[in-house]
Amino acid sequence: KQEVTQIPAALSVPEGENLVLNCSFTDSAIYNLQWFRQDPGKGLTSLLLIQSSQREQTSGRLNASLDKSSGRSTLYIAASQPGDSATYLCAVSNSGYALNFGKGTSLLVTP
Amino acid sequence: ETGVTQSPTHLIKTRGQQVTLRCSSQSGHNTVSWYQQALGQGPQFIFQYYREEENGRGNFPPRFSGLQFPNYSSELNVNALELDDSALYLCASSPASGRSYNEQFFGPGTRLTVL
Repeated sequence: KQEVTQIPAALSVPEGENLVLNCSFTDSAIYNLQWFRQDPGKGLTSLLLIQSSQREQTSGRLNASLDKSSGRSTLYIAASQPGDSATYLCAVSNSGYALNFGKGTSLLVTP
Repeated sequence: ETGVTQSPTHLIKTRGQQVTLRCSSQSGHNTVSWYQQALGQGPQFIFQYYREEENGRGNFPPRFSGLQFPNYSSELNVNALELDDSALYLCASSPASGRSYNEQFFGPGTRLTVL
């Protein structure tokens, strides 16, 4: 059974800092990995999708890496802004359809 | 391009009742998945529908059932509601081909409260 863990559970940083969110998974036979953002009480916004054959994906100030052999992914956020405050969720698919989610990292960026 | 929409936004039911939640997939997407998210937890996969057939199911009892319609919209039905069914129910759609193949796009969710 795939287990997804996200560290840290919560993070508070001042505006402008670069930061790294970590995701680890127990079964490396993944189909893809997806990072999401969730604002309180809202749905999920897809940030980046990494297929199993890829090592990283970039979108604007976000960069996600994937190391299947070690069962790890990182989400790098450059020059953080207060609007980045949200919960970030990592999800792994072993089947091509069902996503297994971590519990998320709650990020607060202070002005 | 219209995103994934869900209705209703909020719902309050009592134990033992039945509920139906609705989802319209994003234009061009033919696969719909449903997830349950309890407070403070990550979403849990309930099931997925592809071309009106159930394509996979998570660890949820049979009282959780679903439908997908020819226009790819979907319903989630929950019978005999229990207090633990209180959660945010999320619908996600994904395309069957193209650059975003298998990328899941989520709707805003339906907040279900069972009293």
